[in-house]
Amino acid sequence: DAKTTQPNSMESNEEEPVHLPCNHSTISGTDYIHWYRQLPSQGPEYVIHGLTSNVNNRMASLAIAEDRKSSTLILHRATLRDAAVYYCILLPGRNAGGTSYGKLTFGQGTILTVHP
Amino acid sequence: ETGVTQTPRHLVMGMTNKKSLKCEQHLGHNAMYWYKQSAKKPLELMFVYNFKEQTENNSVPSRFSPECPNSSHLFLHLHTLQPEDSALYLCASSPGDGYTFGSGTRLTVV
Repeated sequence: DAKTTQPNSMESNEEEPVHLPCNHSTISGTDYIHWYRQLPSQGPEYVIHGLTSNVNNRMASLAIAEDRKSSTLILHRATLRDAAVYYCILLPGRNAGGTSYGKLTFGQGTILTVHP
Repeated sequence: ETGVTQTPRHLVMGMTNKKSLKCEQHLGHNAMYWYKQSAKKPLELMFVYNFKEQTENNSVPSRFSPECPNSSHLFLHLHTLQPEDSALYLCASSPGDGYTFGSGTRLTVV
């Protein structure tokens, strides 16, 4: 499985933007870049994913480098509720038959601390 | 509520007990997973089920026995556990891309 590298921890102030980096230099052409986060005492939750183009949703934006060897999760205005462990994970795309495959393999992630 | 429901939320069991963890989803997902999260460690994938069939067992000791009677339910049967098995056990489901996790069962083995 292709590996990702993230900083162990980052800090931010409330209401400020946060840019969480992820390196994935061995990404294959069919790997999607997924981001999940885990709030304290909860299971991980899906944040966003993308393949080549930048993506936006109500939670965050995902900026993907042109060579796809790195990506950045952007929280536009951090709140205290965004304090969590953020995981960047590569997953192969669904095959043509549409069957499920690919498994989410978690690393250490980035612990994001948000200061009031 | 994420759509994946795990029960119980907390469980304390002795090393000679037998207990079961339950996971339920009505999201129409075909794949279901068990993960273990020990303190200060990343989540570890334990078992994978696709269309009710077990497709992966990550060298999990036999004292953990999964069961998937249908595509909506997943169980983890526990027997003769060790204190080091104390952890948060998480269930997830997926349609093939994107996972939905339950809130987990916090297991303590005494």
